[in-house]
Amino acid sequence: AQSVTQLGSHVSVSEGALVLLRCNYSSSVPPYLFWYVQYPNQGLQLLLKYTTGATLVKGINGFEAEFKKSETSFHLTKPSAHMSDAAEYFCAVTRGTSYDKVIFGPGTSLSVIP
Amino acid sequence: KAGVTQTPRYLIKTRGQQVTLSCSPISGHRSVSWYQQTPGQGLQFLFEYFSETQRNKGNFPGRFSGRQFSNSRSEMNVSTLELGDSALYLCASSLAHLDGYTFGSGTRLTVV
Repeated sequence: AQSVTQLGSHVSVSEGALVLLRCNYSSSVPPYLFWYVQYPNQGLQLLLKYTTGATLVKGINGFEAEFKKSETSFHLTKPSAHMSDAAEYFCAVTRGTSYDKVIFGPGTSLSVIP
Repeated sequence: KAGVTQTPRYLIKTRGQQVTLSCSPISGHRSVSWYQQTPGQGLQFLFEYFSETQRNKGNFPGRFSGRQFSNSRSEMNVSTLELGDSALYLCASSLAHLDGYTFGSGTRLTVV
């Protein structure tokens, strides 16, 4: 069975500082990984995804993530936090067939301090 | 292009009642998935429909059901509502499994 853990239910960073949100997955087969962001009173928005190919994936709003198979990780980073990055971030995993569920992690709430 | 539309945005229901939520996916998307989001449990998968067929189902009681129409619009129904059903219900559509989801803004259901 697949699962996702996100270390830190809440992360605070100063504006302009590095953002690092952690995601570790468990999967018996090669995983496909996603990061989503949720702003208050809204649905989730896809930030980036890893399916195949390059392990360093760039997404929207300056975010990127690196797939590390040996560490079963897919951490999300952004070099310089902006106030508008304050939101809830979710990591998700699935397998390769269309019959596989997409499993979400518990989420990490990011606060940006001015 | 239009996004995923969920109606209504807010609902207040009484225990024991039933409720129907609606979701219109992005044009051309045939896969529609439903999730329940609560502070304690996070995002829990309810079910997925593809071309009017339920392709996958989560671990929810039979009170939770859904369907998809020929135009890909989907509805989910919850019967005999319980207080614990209070949640944000999110609908998501996708063109292909590995494309990722486009989510609607959700329906916030409060059961009193």
